[in-house]
Amino acid sequence: DAMVIQNPRYQVTQFGKPVTLSCSQTLNHNVMYWYQQKSSQAPKLLFHYYDKDFNNEADTPDNFQSRRPNTSFCFLDIRSPGLGDAAMYLCATSRGSQGTSEKLFFGSGTQLSVL
Amino acid sequence: GNSVTQMEGPVTLSEEAFLTINCTYTATGYPSLFWYVQYPGEGLQLLLKATKADDKGSNKGFEATYRKETTSFHLEKGSVQVSDSAVYFCAHSFSGGYNKLIFGAGTRLAVHP
Repeated sequence: DAMVIQNPRYQVTQFGKPVTLSCSQTLNHNVMYWYQQKSSQAPKLLFHYYDKDFNNEADTPDNFQSRRPNTSFCFLDIRSPGLGDAAMYLCATSRGSQGTSEKLFFGSGTQLSVL
Repeated sequence: GNSVTQMEGPVTLSEEAFLTINCTYTATGYPSLFWYVQYPGEGLQLLLKATKADDKGSNKGFEATYRKETTSFHLEKGSVQVSDSAVYFCAHSFSGGYNKLIFGAGTRLAVHP
């Protein structure tokens, strides 16, 4: 009964080769988030969707893109991965109806390695 | 700017010991404060939260009190168990979107029998 599912658990790509990470949810939540977490660092928000409304963080590199084709799915595209993009990528969801005190539901993450 | 600072780990304790993990934050306005926990191989999950000054969040024997005067939200538990071994993340919300969170770097807790 997993609620936020990220695939794959581990992803290996080559330097400069585009890669897509996927996230799906069974909660029917309005908001989906992508966080980047490098080793021993805080998770950092890259962007989020409220429904189909895309919100990019000011310091998110242009190399990172996202798509949300429907309520259930959200994708993170890294157009030209560099060695510095190796990290754990976390997908999360929330209802989007309770302002700033809402609970986020996280997937287990995708660990990306760049060779 | 907005930030969260939490004590570095790992924190290693014996079972039934008292736990404190310190967390301080910098934020504008009146953020909500959270503790999330990540057990091995799993995603982050909400442990507790507090939404205004002097509120106490509690869950599974863990407690944290929103201290606006010291901008702190320290996590405590009176008697830890081996099953509490995990990474604990302090976070606060900030305005500008739906529950956008600023996280600390996490504190790893290891509890030994």
